[in-house]
Amino acid sequence: DTGVSQDPRHKITKRGQNVTFRCDPISEHNRLYWYRQTLGQGPEFLTYFQNEAQLEKSRLLSDRFSAERPKGSFSTLEIQRTEQGDSAMYLCASSRRRSGNTIYFGEGSWLTVV
Amino acid sequence: AQSVTQLGSHVSVSEGALVLLRCNYSSSVPPYLFWYVQYPNQGLQLLLKYTTGATLVKGINGFEAEFKKSETSFHLTKPSAHMSDAAEYFCAVSLYSGGGADGLTFGKGTHLIIQP
Repeated sequence: DTGVSQDPRHKITKRGQNVTFRCDPISEHNRLYWYRQTLGQGPEFLTYFQNEAQLEKSRLLSDRFSAERPKGSFSTLEIQRTEQGDSAMYLCASSRRRSGNTIYFGEGSWLTVV
Repeated sequence: AQSVTQLGSHVSVSEGALVLLRCNYSSSVPPYLFWYVQYPNQGLQLLLKYTTGATLVKGINGFEAEFKKSETSFHLTKPSAHMSDAAEYFCAVSLYSGGGADGLTFGKGTHLIIQP
């Protein structure tokens, strides 16, 4: 396994701009998760996919946020009209759909909105 | 609903001393419990997990944790701290062993400081 890969690792954007993050899960992992982590806090669940289907979305995921996993492999998280409150680390994770399997995290994508 | 409380946002121990990081959970059904470690500017790495079976769980880097249902606790321990253990530690709970329908619910984290 090559691990969960996220790109870009760091992004600085002006308020109001759109940003997109990409996540490549561990191969053959059919579950993919997005979390958000702000300074001094634990990660907060945003959404998850099983294959290409988005099965759960947190109420934290406002209308400005959209996530896709079109072919059941990589995923993108887009934030439209960014706000300063969106500044956080966005973590992607993946797992196999099987009881007892662990969720593996990527190294995260840092977003700073100025 | 499930939740996790980590007691102590910062814990400082001397190198070679016992490490004890506290975690209490709330869950309406039998939980699955996890400890993750996060080094600066990195993602989370699984230390150990409790799903079913033995309540004393051993993980990587010499850490272990004991699930105590009566106390709704899952405290993390290590007999002898090493400088490399300095990091942020997160306790997490899930209704599913893989963090299924609603993923993992994390505590706010405990920053472990190791003093030489």
